[in-house]
Amino acid sequence: KQEVTQIPAALSVPEGENLVLNCSFTDSAIYNLQWFRQDPGKGLTSLLLIQSSQREQTSGRLNASLDKSSGRSTLYIAASQPGDSATYLCAVETSGSRLTFGEGTQLTVNP
Amino acid sequence: NAGVMQNPRHLVRRRGQEARLRCSPMKGHSHVYWYRQLPEEGLKFMVYLQKENIIDESGMPKERFSAEFPKEGPSILRIQQVVRGDSAAYFCASSPVKGGANVLTFGAGSRLTVL
Repeated sequence: KQEVTQIPAALSVPEGENLVLNCSFTDSAIYNLQWFRQDPGKGLTSLLLIQSSQREQTSGRLNASLDKSSGRSTLYIAASQPGDSATYLCAVETSGSRLTFGEGTQLTVNP
Repeated sequence: NAGVMQNPRHLVRRRGQEARLRCSPMKGHSHVYWYRQLPEEGLKFMVYLQKENIIDESGMPKERFSAEFPKEGPSILRIQQVVRGDSAAYFCASSPVKGGANVLTFGAGSRLTVL
């Protein structure tokens, strides 16, 4: 059974700081890994998708890496801004189009 | 294209009542997925449906929960005789094809509160 763990559960940083969010998964037989952003009372916004054959993806100030063999992914956020404050979710797709989510990291960026 | 539309956004029910949550997928999407997010927990897969067919319901509780996606109209997640433990956010996602997280679009969710 696939399990996804995210560390830390919560993180508070001052504006401008670079930060790393961690995600680990127990079954390395994944199709892909995806990072989402969830704002309070809102749905999920897809940030980055890494296919199982890829090592990393970048979008603006975000960079996600994937080490499938060790079951780990990181989301790097450069020069954080207060608008980055949200819950960040990691999810892996294993089979049947279903995603297994971690419990998320709640990020607060202080002005 | 209005995206994935879920309603109601907020629903309050008393124990024993029924809850019906609706999901209208994006135009052209024939695959619908329901996920549940309990308080302080991650999203958990519930069910995957195509038009008129349930493909995978392995995440659905065995009792009181049912889902459908008729040929016409939205997908419905139905919870009978609700209990306090059913209080959660229920998210719907849709895709035009089977598989591939990159084609999933999530709705804003329906938040159920059971008194």
